[in-house]
This record gives sequence, structure tokens and C-alpha cells, in this order.
Amino acid sequence: GQNIDQPTEMTATEGAIVQINCTYQTSGFNGLFWYQQHAGEAPTFLSYNVLDGLEEKGRFSSFLSRSKGYSYLLLKELQMKDSASYLCAVTDSNYQLIWGAGTKLIIKP
Amino acid sequence: DVKVTQSSRYLVKRTGEKVFLECVQDMDHENMFWYRQDPGLGLRLIYFSYDVKMKEKGDIPEGYSVSREKKERFSLILESASTNQTSMYLCASTTGGPENTGELFFGEGSRLTVL
Repeated sequence: GQNIDQPTEMTATEGAIVQINCTYQTSGFNGLFWYQQHAGEAPTFLSYNVLDGLEEKGRFSSFLSRSKGYSYLLLKELQMKDSASYLCAVTDSNYQLIWGAGTKLIIKP
Repeated sequence: DVKVTQSSRYLVKRTGEKVFLECVQDMDHENMFWYRQDPGLGLRLIYFSYDVKMKEKGDIPEGYSVSREKKERFSLILESASTNQTSMYLCASTTGGPENTGELFFGEGSRLTVL
């Protein structure tokens, strides 16, 4: 079966750096997405990786290794507003999106 | 600003009632999707559509139907609501047809409680 694994919950301190991991086993691969979802709100797009390597976008970076079925989202200079759930999703060979359950990130002052 | 609008943020219905959830997007997107989101589970696809009057079953279509009479509008119908359909329902849209790998734009969600 197809599977996306990410930690259920993580805690980090304001101003610090946190890395949220995502591993996947899917039938084929056509790209990996990260979305941010604040409590009670809609998910919003953060990043898209289709080739191996690191994509940097301001305080957020996303890394992909296709051979290892692995990605991470790196958040730097954490702010209280970064408290949210982070969803990893993979597009499989049929262009269907497979979603992880999300990682709830708690930022403490 | 691009927008996906869902008709109701919160609904409370009784078992056996018919429920309509409406979704409208103003981005001229071809693709529209209905998901449900439950604690501890990833988003699960109920139905999707790549064109007007076209619909495809997702992973969990049982107990649901959809309608896409106009490009901008995608409706989710629960013919006879049951308590296990209590959930957050998210509508999303994107451009490009079946092989699109673009980002999804989500509505704010409709939290349905079935008593």
C-alpha cells in the first residue's frame, strides 16, 4: 500500500530551528508538497520538490531524496505564528496526491 | 486574491438528513476536489472532477455524491447523513487537468456534525 509517515507532534522554541521529516512509500513519484495548516483554517501551500536537493524560500527550506523516499521541511528563526500543522503529500504515478497525517508543531516562548 | 469559498463553515444535521456542501472557486480552475479531514488521518479524497459534468471517485466515495454543472462550482451531497460522516470537509481546486502537479487552493472548510 501507499504510505506517508511524519511525526505526530513536535515542540520547538521561538527563535530556534526545527526539522520536520517525511518518509514515503508510493507507487511512483511525481513530486512532493508541503502545506501549512493553522488550527481551524485551510491548508496553504509552502513548497514543492520534484528533483533531489534543497529548495530555499525565506525562513523555510524543503529537501528531497527520491532514492531514500525522504523529505524534510526546515523552519529557521521560529516565530510564534509558525505554530501549525505541517502536511506532507506525494503525487504518485497516477498523479494522485497521497497525504500524511500531518505534524503539529508547537512553538514555546 | 484567489479564492475558494465553501458555503457553510459549521453545520449540524440529524441522521438521515440530506446535506449539501457547496464550493465555488474564482480562478477558472479545471480541477476540483472534495476531501475529508479527521484527527490522526491524512486528507482523504472523496470525489474529484477535471471538467464540467465530469466526476471521478476518490478513495472513500461511499455515502457521497457530487455535482459539477458549472466550471466554478463543485457540490458534495450526503444523501442520508450518518454519524460516521461527522468530519471537516475541505474543497480544493487547481489548474491543469489530470496530470497537473500544481499547488492546491483550499477553501476554509465545512465542519459537519451529524447527530
